[in-house]
Amino acid sequence: AQSVAQPEDQVNVAEGNPLTVKCTYSVSGNPYLFWYVQYPNRGLQFLLKYITGDNLVKGSYGFEAEFNKSQTSFHLKKPSALVSDSALYFCPAGSWGKLQFGAGTQVVVTP
Amino acid sequence: ETGVTQSPTHLIKTRGQQVTLRCSSQSGHNTVSWYQQALGQGPQFIFQYYREEENGRGNFPPRFSGLQFPNYSSELNVNALELDDSALYLCASSLALGQGAGEQYFGPGTRLTVT
Repeated sequence: AQSVAQPEDQVNVAEGNPLTVKCTYSVSGNPYLFWYVQYPNRGLQFLLKYITGDNLVKGSYGFEAEFNKSQTSFHLKKPSALVSDSALYFCPAGSWGKLQFGAGTQVVVTP
Repeated sequence: ETGVTQSPTHLIKTRGQQVTLRCSSQSGHNTVSWYQQALGQGPQFIFQYYREEENGRGNFPPRFSGLQFPNYSSELNVNALELDDSALYLCASSLALGQGAGEQYFGPGTRLTVT
């Protein structure tokens, strides 16, 4: 069984400040972890994935995520947030197109 | 933008009716998954199709059914609509098993409202 938890419903950050969106997972076996972003009235856009290998994963639009096995976490980070990063972020677990999503975290970046 | 398209964009149906939603996968992708996203929630996995066969199903009743065609387009059919079926329905295509690590490319979704 696979599940994820995003402990924050919303994250507020000022433009130019670092952005972190938290995610913890519970999976049996090796975890396949992803980050997606959803803009209003749009589908989900793939940001990055962790399958195996380096714990620091670099993705699209300047985002990266750190896989921490001991803490079962996969937090998303961006060094300098933009107003255009305001959106809903999801960290599903799964593979081969069968993803288990949490409720997501709304990111609000203020000018 | 991904190469995944969905139709229609919006749809309003009455409780008890049947609905068909359509999806065209990204070129080269032969696996499609469908998700239901209720308002304020994350997407929930409905089922996946691979080479025209169902290849996994989430916790959805049999009145949710699907088809995948030889050109890898697909349909989601829902019979006997209920008010709780009101949601955004997303399809996502990906490479076949063993050909990728499973990242999916989502369409923009179909917003279904059941009254």
